[in-house]
Amino acid sequence: EADIYQTPRYLVIGTGKKITLECSQTMGHDKMYWYQQDPGMELHLIHYSYGVNSTEKGDLSSESTVSRIRTEHFPLTLESARPSHTSQYLCASSGSYGFQPQHFGDGTRLSIL
Amino acid sequence: GQQLNQSPQSMFIQEGEDVSMNCTSSSIFNTWLWYKQDPGEGPVLLIALYKAGELTSNGRLTAQFGITRKDSFLNISASIPSDVGIYFCAGQEASSASKIIFGSGTRLSIRP
Repeated sequence: EADIYQTPRYLVIGTGKKITLECSQTMGHDKMYWYQQDPGMELHLIHYSYGVNSTEKGDLSSESTVSRIRTEHFPLTLESARPSHTSQYLCASSGSYGFQPQHFGDGTRLSIL
Repeated sequence: GQQLNQSPQSMFIQEGEDVSMNCTSSSIFNTWLWYKQDPGEGPVLLIALYKAGELTSNGRLTAQFGITRKDSFLNISASIPSDVGIYFCAGQEASSASKIIFGSGTRLSIRP
């Protein structure tokens, strides 16, 4: 079982608030990813990082931003939350050599009122 | 962009039955992955396939990497209640370094 942790698991918060979703992994993986997933639907890549100080936007446009200051930590921030941001956010990581499968955290279910 | 066609979208089966689902793409893939997601949790990797024609088992689960490199299937034998969930295929395109593309999922429900 992969060691990747997301907090909080659930967050209900009002419009306009600044939010940071935390993701940490203890496997020393260089590559980390954020996906957005509506309940029961497919996963959409919104950000990824191939190492410290490296971040890229994914296939789905998102108003969120990410940072990668430490290998093990890949937080996602929404400066001003809106109801349209309501979704589940999944973090994943993978090893660096060749292609290695991504391992996922349990997600943060975000509801913006 | 590239999409994976995963079918069926949902299945209702009797406990003890075998299950089959598949994924197809329009481009060649280097790797196929199968994940299972339970409600309120993240996807968990079930099987990874790295070579065309590869057939790999994990307990009652068997998956194959299609010879054309454009499809994969997952079989579950003798289904049990804990098999309920959403199964996602995912693939790494030949032209991509590490990003993977996910199918839209197959929701499996079991009648006891």
